[in-house]
Amino acid sequence: EADIYQTPRYLVIGTGKKITLECSQTMGHDKMYWYQQDPGMELHLIHYSYGVNSTEKGDLSSESTVSRIRTEHFPLTLESARPSHTSQYLCASSGDRGELETQYFGPGTRLLVL
Amino acid sequence: SQELEQSPQSLIVQEGKNLTINCTSSKTLYGLYWYKQKYGEGLIFLMMLQKGGEEKSHEKITAKLDEKKQQSSLHITASQPSHAGIYLCGADLIFGNEKLTFGTGTRLTIIP
Repeated sequence: EADIYQTPRYLVIGTGKKITLECSQTMGHDKMYWYQQDPGMELHLIHYSYGVNSTEKGDLSSESTVSRIRTEHFPLTLESARPSHTSQYLCASSGDRGELETQYFGPGTRLLVL
Repeated sequence: SQELEQSPQSLIVQEGKNLTINCTSSKTLYGLYWYKQKYGEGLIFLMMLQKGGEEKSHEKITAKLDEKKQQSSLHITASQPSHAGIYLCGADLIFGNEKLTFGTGTRLTIIP
């Protein structure tokens, strides 16, 4: 079982609030990812990081920002939440073995913006 | 257009029956990953396939990657209620890209 954690698991918040979704892993993985999952089940990559101080935007444009100050921690922040941000957010990490790397996922954060 | 198509979108199967889920791409699958997701939860890694013709099994679940590396199937034998959930395939579509593209998912329901 993967050692990757996300908090909170569920969050209901009003429009305009600033929120931070936490993600941490204890596997020492260099690479970490944030996905947004819509009700149609499809996952969309919104941010990724290949190591400390490295962050890139993913394939789906997102108003959120991320930081990677420590290897094990990859928080995602929304400065001003809107109803359109309502979704499930999944964090993942993978190790650097030089070949194909399995991504391991956290339990997710379900966000509802009113 | 979707780069990774899964079929069927949903599946209702009687307990004890066999079933197959497919994942198809028009591009080469350099790595193909199968995940299972319970509603509202994260993804649980099932299996990874890399070589054309490769087949892996875990308990009653078998995954195959075709020789051309453009299609994978996930087969469940003698389905049980614990198999219910959403099955997602993820793939490396660009060699060395290190980012996965995910399929649209298959929702599996097991009825007694």
